Amino acid sequence: EAGVAQSPRYKIIEKRQSVAFWCNPISGHATLYWYQQILGQGPKLLIQFQNNGVVDDSQLPKDRFSAERLKGVDSTLKIQPAKLEDSAVYLCASSSGTGNTGELFFGEGSRLTVL
Amino acid sequence: AQSVTQLGSHVSVSEGALVLLRCNYSSSVPPYLFWYVQYPNQGLQLLLKYTSAATLVKGINGFEAEFKKSETSFHLTKPSAHMSDAAEYFCAVTPYTGFQKLVFGTGTRLLVSP
Repeated sequence: EAGVAQSPRYKIIEKRQSVAFWCNPISGHATLYWYQQILGQGPKLLIQFQNNGVVDDSQLPKDRFSAERLKGVDSTLKIQPAKLEDSAVYLCASSSGTGNTGELFFGEGSRLTVL
Repeated sequence: AQSVTQLGSHVSVSEGALVLLRCNYSSSVPPYLFWYVQYPNQGLQLLLKYTSAATLVKGINGFEAEFKKSETSFHLTKPSAHMSDAAEYFCAVTPYTGFQKLVFGTGTRLLVSP
């Protein structure tokens, strides 16, 4: 079974530029998550989708971050304009949705460096 | 709201020694608790999970954890450390019901010396 795929693995941009990250979850997984992991910290949930609807985006900085999950499969996370403090690893995860016991399957992450 | 606290950002052990990584949780409802491991430049991988069944949970790679409600703890242990156990370990909590949303601790880096 293929795992969660993310791209790009690494991205370096200058502040005020824009960047987009892509995630393809495990086939059939209804729930998709984007987490931000800053160096030395635990992952922090940015946004959670159930199919193509947003369940929780309370910690998403909506003035600069946006995410979508068209057709309930792939998802894109965009940052525009980027700030220095956005340097982090962006982790995508998926789970089977309702009835599951909370196990999330993570991709390898997209490391963003903002200069 | 749910949260977890991991005591010690770094833990160093010798190969063959006992591994003990501490996690305390706070939850207003019965929690599900998890331990995830992260190897360098990789995503997180589930080690084990507590979902209100047996309080002693066994996971992969010889790790286990015990849910202690009276102490609000879910410490991770392994009797004998191996060099390959060197990684970052995260404790996480989610509410028993509703949409699953993991809240992670700040992580503990395990260092294993020969």
